[in-house]
Amino acid sequence: DVKVTQSSRYLVKRTGEKVFLECVQDMDHENMFWYRQDPGLGLRLIYFSYDVKMKEKGDIPEGYSVSREKKERFSLILESASTNQTSMYLCASSLLGTSQRSSYEQYFGPGTRLTVT
Amino acid sequence: KQEVTQIPAALSVPEGENLVLNCSFTDSAIYNLQWFRQDPGKGLTSLLLIQSSQREQTSGRLNASLDKSSGRSTLYIAASQPGDSATYLCAVVEATDSWGKLQFGAGTQVVVTP
Repeated sequence: DVKVTQSSRYLVKRTGEKVFLECVQDMDHENMFWYRQDPGLGLRLIYFSYDVKMKEKGDIPEGYSVSREKKERFSLILESASTNQTSMYLCASSLLGTSQRSSYEQYFGPGTRLTVT
Repeated sequence: KQEVTQIPAALSVPEGENLVLNCSFTDSAIYNLQWFRQDPGKGLTSLLLIQSSQREQTSGRLNASLDKSSGRSTLYIAASQPGDSATYLCAVVEATDSWGKLQFGAGTQVVVTP
């Protein structure tokens, strides 16, 4: 079974702090994604990565950065946390589409509920 | 721009009834469609994935159909149980997307009453 884990289930940070959210997958997936989920706005893509050290902006990258130094790990960084970044953060992974065994099926982690006060 | 819609936003059924959940998308040029389940405060669990060349997929009590030409998918859950209470989301990958990015609907919140 594919397993995607996230470093924390709940996190409380203060405004202005630097925040790291970690995601690890164990299925050798090339693609990894970070989403945030808010009531009434649904799931929105922040950033994704298709290889080590490669990243692409999603729909709402402002205020965030990412790091992928190893294939299995994808980090989301809030350089200076703000209250409007209070949200549920979800990480996902999938195979790259060029693989014959790929269906782009995404597997999600349990989520991190971040509160910025 | 692809838009994915799920109607109704919420649904309540008595235990034992069949559930029918709808998903529509505006651009029929999709690579696949995926159905997810989300329990409150939790991540998403993949239920079924239908490739664009397929008409349906089945897993246990779940059956998902896809009509690409009309831009619709339906998720059927037979003989619903209280444990089926959750939010169900559908998402599509557009055919032109090189990375498999998902476009999500807002979800249907389901309550199955004992």
